[in-house]
Amino acid sequence: AQTVTQSQPEMSVQEAETVTLSCTYDTSESDYYLFWYKQPPSRQMILVIRQEAYKQQNATENRFSVNFQKAAKSFSLKISDSQLGDAAMYFCAYRRMYSGGGADGLTFGKGTHLIIQP
Amino acid sequence: DAGVIQSPRHEVTEMGQEVTLRCKPISGHDYLFWYRQTMMRGLELLIYFNNNVPIDDSGMPEDRFSAKMPNASFSTLKIQPSEPRDSAVYFCASSREGLPEIDTQYFGPGTRLTVL
Repeated sequence: AQTVTQSQPEMSVQEAETVTLSCTYDTSESDYYLFWYKQPPSRQMILVIRQEAYKQQNATENRFSVNFQKAAKSFSLKISDSQLGDAAMYFCAYRRMYSGGGADGLTFGKGTHLIIQP
Repeated sequence: DAGVIQSPRHEVTEMGQEVTLRCKPISGHDYLFWYRQTMMRGLELLIYFNNNVPIDDSGMPEDRFSAKMPNASFSTLKIQPSEPRDSAVYFCASSREGLPEIDTQYFGPGTRLTVL
């Protein structure tokens, strides 16, 4: 079974600074996808960024970027120019991909609580 | 699009009662997922459907839980009888899959269930 590990229960960063959230995963599959979801106090799950395992280029979405190291099974999220609105729980998630199409549900890490200091 | 719709947003019930949670996926999406979030266990997949057919229900905790998807626009998750340990936030999510790219799972706002 796949597992996703987020080793940082809580992180704190000053507004406008950069912070990196860590995520490692364990799988024997070669085709899969990785995601970072944000959950603010409203509890709505919001997709931040996703990475296809077959792509070597790291995904980027505005201030959010990932460092995907497939061999090391590492998928960290970097948030640049942190803003107060970035304060939330961040979940790393894994999803298997089948060669014939279709996919499984998401396997989530335990989450990292990100605090933004003004 | 209205996004994934879940009802009710909050449910408080007493132990032993039947609870039904409802979900309307995004129109055109062919996958529907039910997740549960607790402090102890985090976010875990309960069951998912493809084209209204249950594909994997291995995450359903026990026989007290059942899920149905009678059509492409509606799904229910039922707990009968409910127990205090079922207290959690239940999320529904939907996605549309297409080769070679995978679509994203879009989550509903969740239902916070409290069983007294």
